[in-house]
Amino acid sequence: DIQMTQSPPALSASVGDRVTITCRASQSIRTSLAWYQQKPGRAPKLLIYMASNLQSGVPSRFSGSGSGTEFTLTISSLQPDDFATFYCQQCEIFPWTFGQGTKVEIK
Amino acid sequence: EVQLVESGGGLIQSGGSLRLSCAASGFSVSTDYMTWVRQAPGKGLEWVSVIYRGGSTFNADSVKGRFTISRDNSRNTLYLQMSSLRAEDTAMYYCASPSRDGLWAFDLWGQGTMVIVSS
Repeated sequence: DIQMTQSPPALSASVGDRVTITCRASQSIRTSLAWYQQKPGRAPKLLIYMASNLQSGVPSRFSGSGSGTEFTLTISSLQPDDFATFYCQQCEIFPWTFGQGTKVEIK
Repeated sequence: EVQLVESGGGLIQSGGSLRLSCAASGFSVSTDYMTWVRQAPGKGLEWVSVIYRGGSTFNADSVKGRFTISRDNSRNTLYLQMSSLRAEDTAMYYCASPSRDGLWAFDLWGQGTMVIVSS
């Protein structure tokens, strides 16, 4: 199975900060990677697909990059609505797998 | 409005069976693919099962041989038949789907249905 490792597991940041979350795959997944945001008690929300494509309706402060085994999600200027848990997910090889999540908290 | 609505969760004894449903509106369940994702209390997301337009299915190793994904196009509904349930299957179960062909990610999600397996 492809292991998806996110770092850091959690971070504290202030409104306006630039935030970067990393996701590493245990083998190449080309660009078959998505990023999701989840708030407590809610279903996940798609932010980025195919590593770098911004989902319709998602603010442009979110961006994704990477290919192969290393990927990043960047929030250019953290907003109050962004405090949540973020997950990466690969859909290149079965079983599809998620990272363990990165919780972004208010500093 | 495009939406997915899950139902069928509940409290079940270990070893029992349960069938989850995911009713789609505003789009067809015979899209590229539809999937189930689960989340144990306080834990991360775990992909469970997928069914493709052509009917092919794939499951996570943790549910292989116990869970079966299917769909009824006439009812526009996705199902997850779960048997030989274990305590570790306790989770919120979400159905998810791409809203358009060629999107290899899940932009449509239901609200989830909770399954609690008591030992």
